[in-house]
Amino acid sequence: DQQVKQNSPSLSVQEGRISILNCDYTNSMFDYFLWYKKYPAEGPTFLISISSIKDKNEDGRFTVFLNKSAKHLSLHIVPSQPGDSAVYFCAAIPFSSGSARQLTFGSGTQLTVLP
Amino acid sequence: GAVVSQHPSRVICKSGTSVKIECRSLDFQATTMFWYRQFPKQSLMLMATSNEGSKATYEQGVEKDKFLINHASLTLSTLTVTSAHPEDSSFYICSAIDRRGGSVRNEQFFGPGTRLTVL
Repeated sequence: DQQVKQNSPSLSVQEGRISILNCDYTNSMFDYFLWYKKYPAEGPTFLISISSIKDKNEDGRFTVFLNKSAKHLSLHIVPSQPGDSAVYFCAAIPFSSGSARQLTFGSGTQLTVLP
Repeated sequence: GAVVSQHPSRVICKSGTSVKIECRSLDFQATTMFWYRQFPKQSLMLMATSNEGSKATYEQGVEKDKFLINHASLTLSTLTVTSAHPEDSSFYICSAIDRRGGSVRNEQFFGPGTRLTVL
């Protein structure tokens, strides 16, 4: 049972246009969401995050939107650049009183930005 | 920045042998390290949580006798795949949490992964 879903395995976008990557979740206990970027044969690197108390967080070209009622979040990249081509993972953390909070990952979306 | 290394980056072994993968935090001390496994075109699946000086906590469905985890120091955790079989072939990734804490957004730093191929 996948608690975090990325239904689009791949996405191609022209350079300079907007990339929109989507993520849905089912566990209502998730209260923090992160996006990671991963290149082949490398570990994921943190990109941007959002707390459930917000509905938008922006960092440069990257913006994450959260719709709690729909249990949906999206990552917008604008303008898209060829260097953005990578696999993007959505991840979620449940509310927990512990200090080590476990990530649940989606299956990833391969973004290809065409020059 | 926080760097996590893994060794080896790739390993090929024969069925029935054991393979050890090391995960090191290079410039910080990690109270907790996580081990993930990723199959092609699938998400990273958490296998176990490793706390320094105590036994690892395994996720449901992960055999603790097959995937031995040792977190002997604040900078090193090892995953040993015992009696490896072809179905154990996968990409194994570790992550580490800086004991100094900090914001949740940077809580986990990932290693580059180890590609295991069992013949």
